Amino acid sequence: GAVVSQHPSRVICKSGTSVKIECRSLDFQATTMFWYRQFPKQSLMLMATSNEGSKATYEQGVEKDKFLINHASLTLSTLTVTSAHPEDSSFYICSATHIQGIATRQETQYFGPGTRLLVL
Amino acid sequence: AQSVSQHNHHVILSEAASLELGCNYSYGGTVNLFWYVQYPGQHLQLLLKYFSGDPLVKGIKGFEAEFIKSKFSFNLRKPSVQWSDTAEYFCAVYQGYNTDKLIFGTGTRLQVFP
Repeated sequence: GAVVSQHPSRVICKSGTSVKIECRSLDFQATTMFWYRQFPKQSLMLMATSNEGSKATYEQGVEKDKFLINHASLTLSTLTVTSAHPEDSSFYICSATHIQGIATRQETQYFGPGTRLLVL
Repeated sequence: AQSVSQHNHHVILSEAASLELGCNYSYGGTVNLFWYVQYPGQHLQLLLKYFSGDPLVKGIKGFEAEFIKSKFSFNLRKPSVQWSDTAEYFCAVYQGYNTDKLIFGTGTRLQVFP
């Protein structure tokens, strides 16, 4: 259980175009989804936290107009990289929270396989 | 703010050697602790987690970790590594109840040679 999928797995686009990445929780309802960016040989950098039906919370330094997040349902969140530039090339990973115990908020994040974006 | 330190950036071992990867966090209150593994070309997978109870946590693939509150540590161990354990290992921490932000360490790259 607790499987998270991402689509597409790889995308190559021209500079100036927009790219949408989907994140789905396949077998559970995710109250919260997260978007990370991972640079080669580095750790994950949290970009934003997304709750269903509300605006995403962006981390400091992340442009909300550049990285549009929509959390339309409890199983789907999308990240749109608008007007992509070569410096946006990266590995984008989403995760979803699977709460085990409501009273104690024991939350485990399950990660998607990631989307490699290359902007030419 | 919470921070997570993984002091071993790159570890090289031979098969059958014992492994211990260090993880220290900075926040002194209630924490939830995780170890994730990222095999080459694959996504992050949960190895084990600690929420409460027995501080010695057993995970998948023979891994275990020990939560030592007095040392702010959650070190990962495996008595005998295999070539297939070659991967990147990340320690991560939730701070308290009222946050949903997972703080990651910088990761440790483990290479196991046959």
